[in-house]
Amino acid sequence: DTEVTQTPKHLVMGMTNKKSLKCEQHMGHRAMYWYKQKAKKPPELMFVYSYEKLSINESVPSRFSPECPNSSLLNLHLHALQPEDSALYLCASSQPQVLALRDTQYFGPGTRLTVL
Amino acid sequence: SQQGEEDPQALSIQEGENATMNCSYKTSINNLQWYRQNSGRGLVHLILIRSNEREKHSGRLRVTLDTSKKSSSLLITASRAADTASYFCATAISNFGNEKLTFGTGTRLTIIP
Repeated sequence: DTEVTQTPKHLVMGMTNKKSLKCEQHMGHRAMYWYKQKAKKPPELMFVYSYEKLSINESVPSRFSPECPNSSLLNLHLHALQPEDSALYLCASSQPQVLALRDTQYFGPGTRLTVL
Repeated sequence: SQQGEEDPQALSIQEGENATMNCSYKTSINNLQWYRQNSGRGLVHLILIRSNEREKHSGRLRVTLDTSKKSSSLLITASRAADTASYFCATAISNFGNEKLTFGTGTRLTIIP
């Protein structure tokens, strides 16, 4: 199974709502990532989890709260978002390697988020 | 800040022709990867070239890497309509034992049947 799944595919939420994005992989990968992608722009890294621990936070606002409950799951909790947070949110996974060259990242199809 | 700049930003060619996309980056890298994205969906990994490699092939894809010029190119030969997509280069940089990918600005490729 070389698939990363993300739910939901589409999400519309108000600025006062609380919602969560979910990502799952069963490839045994121990590094998982959240990216944000605005229209016609490249993906921008938000968070990296390595062995279920947060290893990189790219100065993301606290209204985005990641969680890695186990090695297969990655969540992104959303609260009090702004309209400018509307974007495609991509999850990815890979095998983490220390002092070695990085493996390929496998991406999910993304969640298209609209904040009203 | 973005690590990679790609050119051209957009490219339209006839089916069967070859497509070449270029990527330039700023800092030392561990490897450089190329990804494809269809219609704002997930990215698909195409090919990875390590910093000590100069050229790599995979099917109709040919990637070159010039670390002295901090540049890479992706050549797609005998293009097909299904190759229509956005193509991104991504540079892998070590960060305290973790590697992070930084994506270039992307090239939107359109293959005209």
